[in-house]
Amino acid sequence: SAVISQKPSRDICQRGTSLTIQCQVDSQVTMMFWYRQQPGQSLTLIATANQGSEATYESGFVIDKFPISRPNLTFSTLTVSNMSPEDSSIYLCSVEQASANTGELFFGEGSRLTVL
Amino acid sequence: SQKIEQNSEALNIQEGKTATLTCNYTNYSPAYLQWYRQDPGRGPVFLLLIRENEKEKRKERLKVTFDTTLKQSLFHITASQPADSATYLCALDTNAGKSTFGDGTTLTVKP
Repeated sequence: SAVISQKPSRDICQRGTSLTIQCQVDSQVTMMFWYRQQPGQSLTLIATANQGSEATYESGFVIDKFPISRPNLTFSTLTVSNMSPEDSSIYLCSVEQASANTGELFFGEGSRLTVL
Repeated sequence: SQKIEQNSEALNIQEGKTATLTCNYTNYSPAYLQWYRQDPGRGPVFLLLIRENEKEKRKERLKVTFDTTLKQSLFHITASQPADSATYLCALDTNAGKSTFGDGTTLTVKP
């Protein structure tokens, strides 16, 4: 199983600022996913980050708001730009292990952002 | 429209009983369906995956069924324990390996 570390685990941010969340995996993986979990709700996929290519964003999410980097097979970042209180949420990084090919996802512990 | 619905937001049962959680979906044809457990302040943890050609799968005290005609999965925890208290999420393979999650059911097992 993959072990995923996310930083920061939580932060309180001011409106209009940007914050970058880091995701480090202990093994090489092809696909990394970024999810958002708003209070009391389930997970919503923001984008899929593939190494060496642009991230693929889901409907309702755009690159200008959520730029993603994927410099190698073990690391990715998600930036939440120009934050508003509506961006207060838990952001989760997840991976699907290439060898498993079963769709099983491993998740980081999440980054809880509060925007004032 | 596409929907994934899990039964009631909260389910309370007595220790030792069997908990049954439901996941219904519409306008999807998933190749597989997964169940995850999520504890407060933690990321989801994978429990079981069942494929479209499988009717039932078991793992220790857990059992999952998958009825593609009814478009429904049932998740059972037998001999439930207070430590089983958590939110349980179903997730469907919806497009090119991406998973779409239901809203979850919060299970509380009372001693």
